Formats: sequence, C-alpha cells, structure tokens
Amino acid sequence: GAVVSQHPSWVICKSGTSVKIECRSLDFQATTMFWYRQFPKQSLMLMATSNEGSKATYEQGVEKDKFLINHASLTLSTLTVTSAHPEDSSFYICSATAGGRETQYFGPGTRLLVL
Amino acid sequence: GESVGLHLPTLSVQEGDNSIINCAYSNSASDYFIWYKQESGKGPQFIIDIRSNMDKRQGQRVTVLLNKTVKHLSLQIAATQPGDSAVYFCAENQEDSSYKLIFGSGTRLLVRP
Repeated sequence: GAVVSQHPSWVICKSGTSVKIECRSLDFQATTMFWYRQFPKQSLMLMATSNEGSKATYEQGVEKDKFLINHASLTLSTLTVTSAHPEDSSFYICSATAGGRETQYFGPGTRLLVL
Repeated sequence: GESVGLHLPTLSVQEGDNSIINCAYSNSASDYFIWYKQESGKGPQFIIDIRSNMDKRQGQRVTVLLNKTVKHLSLQIAATQPGDSAVYFCAENQEDSSYKLIFGSGTRLLVRP
C-alpha cells in the first residue's frame, strides 16, 4: 500500500514555458503533500508543504509565484514551474502523508530539463 | 541554521560484510528520525524509523541506533548485498505542526562483489 505516483517522469521544455507536474496518492488520502527539489549528487531540499484545500507554505528562498502549488483534492497535488529557465532543471519529488507524523511516502520523481 | 549531516560521503563495502552509515543532527528538538534509500533516478524509499524515546530499532537486516547525548544516528545493514548499493539519507523531524523533514547530505553505499 501507500503508493505515490508522479507524472510526467521526464519533461524537456524550452526556456520561458511553464511545466505542470502531478503528484497522486493512489491508495490513500493525503492530507499533506510535500514538494522537494534535488540537484545532482545533492540532498532533497524541501520547497513547500501543501495541505488539501489551503494555500501552500513555501520554504524560505522558494518563489511562490514561480512554483505554483495546488492541492485541490486529497489525492492530487500539482506543481507548476512557471516561465522555466535552465537553472530550474532538476529532479522534483513529491511525498504524501495521511496525516500526523506518519511516514512520508515518496513519489518516483520528475526530471525536468529546461533548454 | 539547523542541519542534519553525515560523516562519510561514500562507503565501499565487500558483499556479505556489514555496513554502518552515520549521521549527525544538530536540532535537539528533533524527536523522530527516518532513514531513506534512494536509487539512481528514483524517489527515496523508506527503510526504518525511530523515535527519540528509543535508542535502537531493528528491521529486516537493518538496525537504527540513536544516541541523543551526542546527537548521532546510524544505520547498520547486515550482510550487505549488491542491491543495497544506493544513496542513503537520514532525515529528522520535530514535533510541530508542519511534519517537515530535514534531510542529511547523503552517503553513497557501494557494494563490491
């Protein structure tokens, strides 16, 4: 149980375009979802915490107008990278929890390459 | 700021040997710790967790030790196998309303056949 999926797994886009990444909890209701970014050979850096039906909470240094997060249902959160630039190229990973301090279940990640 | 760090960035072990991966944390308010395994191009996979009211917890072939006095966490893997080759991250969480995880820098485990 506790499967989290992400779509797409790979995306290549031109600089200036926007990219939407979906994160879904397949077999449980996720009250909270988290979005991370991971650069090569580095650790996961939390970008934002998303609670269903409310605005996301962004970490310091993460531009909320650039990384739009929507958590419209208990099984889906989306991250939109607006006006993407090459420096946004990274591995984006989401995680979901059913609530409380339970284990966060991670998605397989989405690799974004901005040309 | 607060951080979770690791002593060894890369660990190479012989297949069949035991592996020990270490992690130091600096936030004394953290009371929940998790070890994750990440294979190349994939998301982190939960291995084992431990709460601060414990100092040891065992799973299948894995043991996590917590030393709150020196703020140190370790992951022991028994009879290391080639499939254990990956990057291992420790993560910490403090009991607040955010449930945020702070990840360490990671250790790459290489298993020699």
